[in-house]
Amino acid sequence: GAVVSQHPSWVICKSGTSVKIECRSLDFQATTMFWYRQFPKQSLMLMATSNEGSKATYEQGVEKDKFLINHASLTLSTLTVTSAHPEDSSFYICSAKLPGLASGELFFGEGSRLTVL
Amino acid sequence: GQNIDQPTEMTATEGAIVQINCTYQTSGFNGLFWYQQHAGEAPTFLSYNVLDGLEEKGRFSSFLSRSKGYSYLLLKELQMKDSASYLCAVKDSNYQLIWGAGTKLIIKP
Repeated sequence: GAVVSQHPSWVICKSGTSVKIECRSLDFQATTMFWYRQFPKQSLMLMATSNEGSKATYEQGVEKDKFLINHASLTLSTLTVTSAHPEDSSFYICSAKLPGLASGELFFGEGSRLTVL
Repeated sequence: GQNIDQPTEMTATEGAIVQINCTYQTSGFNGLFWYQQHAGEAPTFLSYNVLDGLEEKGRFSSFLSRSKGYSYLLLKELQMKDSASYLCAVKDSNYQLIWGAGTKLIIKP
């Protein structure tokens, strides 16, 4: 199956600082990647769709200036949480589709757990 | 609005069989997925149904009835490692994934 790698797995930062999370497709090219956030005991919430070479599409209620997404290449998308606050503490997960796969199943990165102090 | 319903939590015994139900109301339908998510980890793909009927894959099977807006995931010969959350997700008419809240499955010896 396709492999998606996410880094870092864990990050602790001070309030007001920015944190960058990387999502890489290791063995395929992903023109589209998806960023999710998941709070404890809740389901996945789609934050934005990252498109290679163009602006990301954000879901309603997600601040694009706070959650900066860059998809500069076919194998890398980054999510930067700017001026992080404790309420941004969450599990952030990226995913990608394998081109040509009829089912359109998503392959997920390992997830990044962000704790803002 | 769009809605996916599945039980919050279920408990089963090691070696037994458990069925996790999922009902959905979405604007259109282009397939239903089941994912497994262990605590603190990302989801992993289990199954995909787009036509009515049963799809069997080893100890796991998934069933779909589009007319009833209903699916279930059947886990046989339960093992302790099957303790996880099971997420149901439906692809709507815009090919957007709508996620259920997940069912936490607890396996007891």
